[in-house]
Amino acid sequence: GNSVTQMEGPVTLSEEAFLTINCTYTATGYPSLFWYVQYPGEGLQLLLKATKADDKGSNKGFEATYRKETTSFHLEKGSVQVSDSAVYFCALSDHSTDKLIFGTGTRLQVFP
Amino acid sequence: ETGVTQTPRHLVMGMTNKKSLKCEQHLGHNAMYWYKQSAKKPLELMFVYSLEERVENNSVPSRFSPECPNSSHLFLHLHTLQPEDSALYLCASSQGRPFGGGSPLHFGNGTRLTVT
Repeated sequence: GNSVTQMEGPVTLSEEAFLTINCTYTATGYPSLFWYVQYPGEGLQLLLKATKADDKGSNKGFEATYRKETTSFHLEKGSVQVSDSAVYFCALSDHSTDKLIFGTGTRLQVFP
Repeated sequence: ETGVTQTPRHLVMGMTNKKSLKCEQHLGHNAMYWYKQSAKKPLELMFVYSLEERVENNSVPSRFSPECPNSSHLFLHLHTLQPEDSALYLCASSQGRPFGGGSPLHFGNGTRLTVT
C-alpha cells in the first residue's frame, strides 16, 4: 500500500544551520506530495506542495523537490531560525483513493 | 483566527463520562475531517464528511460518534472512552472533493483529550 517514511527526530540544530529532513514515499501512480508543519500548541499547516515529478514547492525559505526516480521529497532550508522549531509532516495524496497519508512527523529543535 | 476553530482546547474525562468536541470552520469549505494524533504515530484519519454526509469511517470504535449538522460544524461525541484514547484530536476542512486534486487541509488547533 501507499506509505510515507520520514527520518526520526528530533533534529537539533543551531540557528543559521542548514536543514534537511528526509522523506521517501511508496505509491502507485503519481501522487501529490506535501509538507505540513505543526508549531507548538497548534494544528497542522500546509507548508508547501508539489503535484508532479520535478516540481519544486517552496515557502518561507523552505524547499522540496518531487523526485520520482528516488521517490523522495526531502525538505530543505538554507538557514534555520529558532522560530522554525516545530514538527514537520510529509504527506502524499493518493489520487486513486483520494486518501491523504501522513508520515510520523519529525521534530525540529533550533537553538540560538 | 485560524479559520478552523476547535473547542475545548483541553478536556479531561473519566471513562464513564459523555462529552463532545466541537469544530467550526469559517472558510466556506464543504469537506470536514476528524484526525487522531498520538505520539510517535502517523496521523490517524477517523471520519470524513462531504456536504454533511459521512463518506469515510476508518474502523473507528463506536464509542466515538461524529455529527455534522451543516457544512460549517462538526462534532465528535465521546462516551465510555478508554485511557488509550487519550490523544490530540484534530479537525480539518478542505474545499471540493475530499482530498481531491491535492486540495490542502486546513487544521484547527486541536483538543487535547485525557481519559482517566
